[in-house]
Amino acid sequence: AQSVSQHNHHVILSEAASLELGCNYSYGGTVNLFWYVQYPGQHLQLLLKYFSGDPLVKGIKGFEAEFIKSKFSFNLRKPSVQWSDTAEYFCAVKGSASKIIFGSGTRLSIRP
Amino acid sequence: GAVVSQHPSRVICKSGTSVKIECRSLDFQATTMFWYRQFPKQSLMLMATSNEGSKATYEQGVEKDKFLINHASLTLSTLTVTSAHPEDSSFYICSATQGAGAELFFGEGSRLTVL
Repeated sequence: AQSVSQHNHHVILSEAASLELGCNYSYGGTVNLFWYVQYPGQHLQLLLKYFSGDPLVKGIKGFEAEFIKSKFSFNLRKPSVQWSDTAEYFCAVKGSASKIIFGSGTRLSIRP
Repeated sequence: GAVVSQHPSRVICKSGTSVKIECRSLDFQATTMFWYRQFPKQSLMLMATSNEGSKATYEQGVEKDKFLINHASLTLSTLTVTSAHPEDSSFYICSATQGAGAELFFGEGSRLTVL
């Protein structure tokens, strides 16, 4: 069965700091990987996704993620965060069964 | 992007009653819809996968007789919480996709409070 682990539960950064949120998955076959963001009071939005090809994926709002197959990882990065990036971030994986399983989420708080 | 709408956004009911939550894809045909449950400060837990015209596939531990899912058309899926109890209080989120490999779009969620 597929599973997703996000090790950082709450990350606090100052504006302009660099961000890296960890995501590891467990699944033996081909996977599709996603990062979703949930801003306060809003519904989930897709930040970026990896299906195949270049393992470095660029998403919206300056976010990117790198798929490292040997490490079963798909970490999210942003070189310089803004206060508006304050949100909950979810990593998700889809295996062969079409269903998408979410990680426990990482709450990102940005100090202005 | 595509829009998925849920209704109602908030519902309060008495213990023992049944509540229906609708999930509609407004500008695309959703061959597959997923229902998730989100507890406060926790992640989304997949409850079931629903394909249009077929019976829903429930995740382990989810009572299919309690959480009735109907996906009668390509734009509408409903989740009915039957004989609701306080422990069913939660945030229920639906998502929809046009098919395998397509993007998943989320509804705004429905907060159920059972008194």
